[in-house]
Amino acid sequence: GQQVQQSPASLVLQEGENAELQCNFSTSLNSMQWFYQRPGGSLVSLFYNPSGTKQSGRLTSTTVIKERRSSLHISSSQTTDSGTYLCAMDPGTGGYKVVFGSGTRLLVSP
Amino acid sequence: EAAVTQSPRNKVAVTGGKVTLSCNQTNNHNNMYWYRQDTGHGLRLIHYSYGAGSTEKGDIPDGYKASRPSQENFSLILELATPSQTSVYFCASGDVGGHTGQLYFGEGSKLTVL
Repeated sequence: GQQVQQSPASLVLQEGENAELQCNFSTSLNSMQWFYQRPGGSLVSLFYNPSGTKQSGRLTSTTVIKERRSSLHISSSQTTDSGTYLCAMDPGTGGYKVVFGSGTRLLVSP
Repeated sequence: EAAVTQSPRNKVAVTGGKVTLSCNQTNNHNNMYWYRQDTGHGLRLIHYSYGAGSTEKGDIPDGYKASRPSQENFSLILELATPSQTSVYFCASGDVGGHTGQLYFGEGSKLTVL
């Protein structure tokens, strides 16, 4: 079946460092989305990115459909960036299900 | 701004009792979803719907029923709750499979079954 491999599973940074989170897809995709989740919180959409590059502040999302991968770059990390980052793909096979990655748990220390 | 509202936010139930989790969306999305999230399992799809009157089984439907009486409302029903159903449940709406696949999530409902 369709799978999403998300890496790394966890990451520890010093404040100010950059981070690169990756998602690789086993099948073709129609679109993908990145979410942020604070412990005990809901999923907040960061990017809906069918293809190409999108930027919002210190966050940049790049999706390359032909290579079946997407990345989330966090620059100049802050302690408030700590939490879990999830990617989700719409395989576009005519169904209505979204496939989620297992998440990257990020901890940014001061 | 897209909005998905869940109720109750917290619920304590007894084993064998009936639990109904409700979800309301004002996005006019056709598709709605119920997920549960557990440590070590990530997000798992329980039921989904692609329109009023329809419900479909997700990846872990056993022990759950769903109801979509209208475009706006989607409920998850546990007829006989068990402790293994203790979890955080998320509702989402989106136009997956359509022109945009963006999902919007509710705040979550924490269910504890004693």
